[in-house]
Amino acid sequence: EPEVTQTPSHQVTQMGQEVILRCVPISNHLYFYWYRQILGQKVEFLVSFYNNEISEKSEIFDDQFSVERPDGSNFTLKIRSTKLEDSAMYFCASSLVGDAFFGQGTRLTVV
Amino acid sequence: AQTVTQSQPEMSVQEAETVTLSCTYDTSESNYYLFWYKQPPSRQMILVIRQEAYKQQNATENRFSVNFQKAAKSFSLKISDSQLGDTAMYFCAFTRPLYSGGSNYKLTFGKGTLLTVNP
Repeated sequence: EPEVTQTPSHQVTQMGQEVILRCVPISNHLYFYWYRQILGQKVEFLVSFYNNEISEKSEIFDDQFSVERPDGSNFTLKIRSTKLEDSAMYFCASSLVGDAFFGQGTRLTVV
Repeated sequence: AQTVTQSQPEMSVQEAETVTLSCTYDTSESNYYLFWYKQPPSRQMILVIRQEAYKQQNATENRFSVNFQKAAKSFSLKISDSQLGDTAMYFCAFTRPLYSGGSNYKLTFGKGTLLTVNP
């Protein structure tokens, strides 16, 4: 069964460092997303990507964040200068239309 | 803007019994999709069941079924014959109408209900 794959599963980084979270969505899907879940809280939408561009972003997704789909396969989330409050679980998801399938998540810890 | 409310932060049920998790939502749309996602301790998000708002028939997936009350904007999840592996956080989620144009189907989530199945 096709699945969304995220790497790494856990990333520890120092405050101010850049991190790149990687995702391989399901191959025939058209819509790609990043969500964030701070421990114990609800899942929050960060950004959606369609037709090789950002289609919507939340207020969380500020200038420190960027996304790319450089090769038609991988979908990456970059945080340029991490802050302590960026510590969270980051989920990649993809959908053909409405049903979103999630990766297993990357736990980001900023120290 | 759409909002999703799950009023039960925690629930527990005995193995083999039935439990119902509540969800209400607010939208001005007439057609949309509703979902229940399961998040076990591994923290992966797993799609459990979906409901299309224009369908009157309640969705069912094996032991999981929903009670969709469109006028009341209510979407509850019933788990029958609860199993220990059902222990997880359950999130209700909403997305806008399918095939309505636009360029994404972002999900709006509720805060979740932590379900514990006791042996």
